[in-house]
Amino acid sequence: QTVVTQEPSLTVSPGGTVTLTCASSTGAVTSGYYPNWFQQKPGQAPRALIYSTSNKHSWTPARFSGSLLGGKAALTLSGVQPEDEAEYYCLLYYGGAVVFGGGTKLTVL
Amino acid sequence: QITLKESGPTLVKPTQTLTLTCTFSGFSLSTSGVGVGWIRQPPGKALEWLALIYWNDDKRYSPSLKSRLTITKDTSKNQVVLTMTNMDPVDTATYYCAHSKYYYDSSGSVWIYYFDYWGQGTLVTVSS
Repeated sequence: QTVVTQEPSLTVSPGGTVTLTCASSTGAVTSGYYPNWFQQKPGQAPRALIYSTSNKHSWTPARFSGSLLGGKAALTLSGVQPEDEAEYYCLLYYGGAVVFGGGTKLTVL
Repeated sequence: QITLKESGPTLVKPTQTLTLTCTFSGFSLSTSGVGVGWIRQPPGKALEWLALIYWNDDKRYSPSLKSRLTITKDTSKNQVVLTMTNMDPVDTATYYCAHSKYYYDSSGSVWIYYFDYWGQGTLVTVSS
């Protein structure tokens, strides 16, 4: 069974920069896994942020960016705001099937 | 403006079959590249992808749940239905449906795949 792994938790100071990563048990993550990133706040549905590695939706704030880093998909937040405190999930495509990562709880402190 | 909304029972008994309906607007499931997926989230836990149906009736299922899931679409009603058999208390979760799409970006010579719009979710509790 394919497992997608994210950092369980990260802490960042307001105004700082943080990178969240997304690894695949099958090996290096490439653009062919079409990484997607989502933000979820308590009691809310997930909100899409990044698709196909680095593309932003029309509503995605400029401080969010996606990339591939060291064989993983990465989500970087630059100039973190207090409202960025949330759970972040990555999603990878595996030839038609889809797997979510376990999520990263981002604390802004 | 794309919207999706899940509906179905809030409580099911163990061994029963769950039927959930996703009713959407703002897009057509007969448009090339468009799909609707189902995702669930047990209380306090991570998202789990369940199934995805595309415009051409291509259906994809989570390998771990494939034997219990069926996804269908009714394009004329703008609905996607997910059935899950043999429900168990561990299936207690909020169930979401989401719009999905893929297309070929000729400018970058790459395929693009994504989920974007999500429904609000519906909490299903499995208990006797």
